[in-house]
Amino acid sequence: AQSVTQPDIHITVSEGASLELRCNYSYGATPYLFWYVQSPGQGLQLLLKYFSGDTLVQGIKGFEAEFKRSQSSFNLRKPSVHWSDAAEYFCAVGGTDKLIFGTGTRLQVFP
Amino acid sequence: GAVVSQHPSWVICKSGTSVKIECRSLDFQATTMFWYRQFPKQSLMLMATSNEGSKATYEQGVEKDKFLINHASLTLSTLTVTSAHPEDSSFYICSARDRQGAGYEQYFGPGTRLTVT
Repeated sequence: AQSVTQPDIHITVSEGASLELRCNYSYGATPYLFWYVQSPGQGLQLLLKYFSGDTLVQGIKGFEAEFKRSQSSFNLRKPSVHWSDAAEYFCAVGGTDKLIFGTGTRLQVFP
Repeated sequence: GAVVSQHPSWVICKSGTSVKIECRSLDFQATTMFWYRQFPKQSLMLMATSNEGSKATYEQGVEKDKFLINHASLTLSTLTVTSAHPEDSSFYICSARDRQGAGYEQYFGPGTRLTVT
């Protein structure tokens, strides 16, 4: 069955600290992988995507993610978190049709 | 680029009435649009996939007669919630896939909050 797991429901970090949000997936074929961010009451913004090639992908707002096929993971990282990064983060996996979303990780940033 | 709009951003309606939500791709053509529903502090639940000029494909458990989807052009899809009831209150989000895009990412609208009283 196709699924996405985000083990951390809620993460709190201090501003300036590094961040890693975990994402594990189950997918029958080579997956397309995405990270989206959602601010309260807003739609989703694409942070980055992986289709093929280099397994370390760079995204907007200083985020990066690494695809590890052996671990079925696509973790999102940022070296230094800013207060404006506080939001809900969704990992998604899909092929040529629909996307399957994880349950999300809420990031809280303390000054 | 790749901007998707939704209208209205929020709507309050009385139980038993119908509500139409519009989803537009502003700067690209979208052969495929998706409609999601999101409950508070939860993930997105795909309701249906709509392709321009054809009938929408609904996910299991979604009532097609209640949630009418029309994708009449390459830039517009509409979701009509018919005979709305309080349990239909939710945040509805649409997304669109760029017809010319090489990838399969979806671009999301800002969402519509529906409250049925």
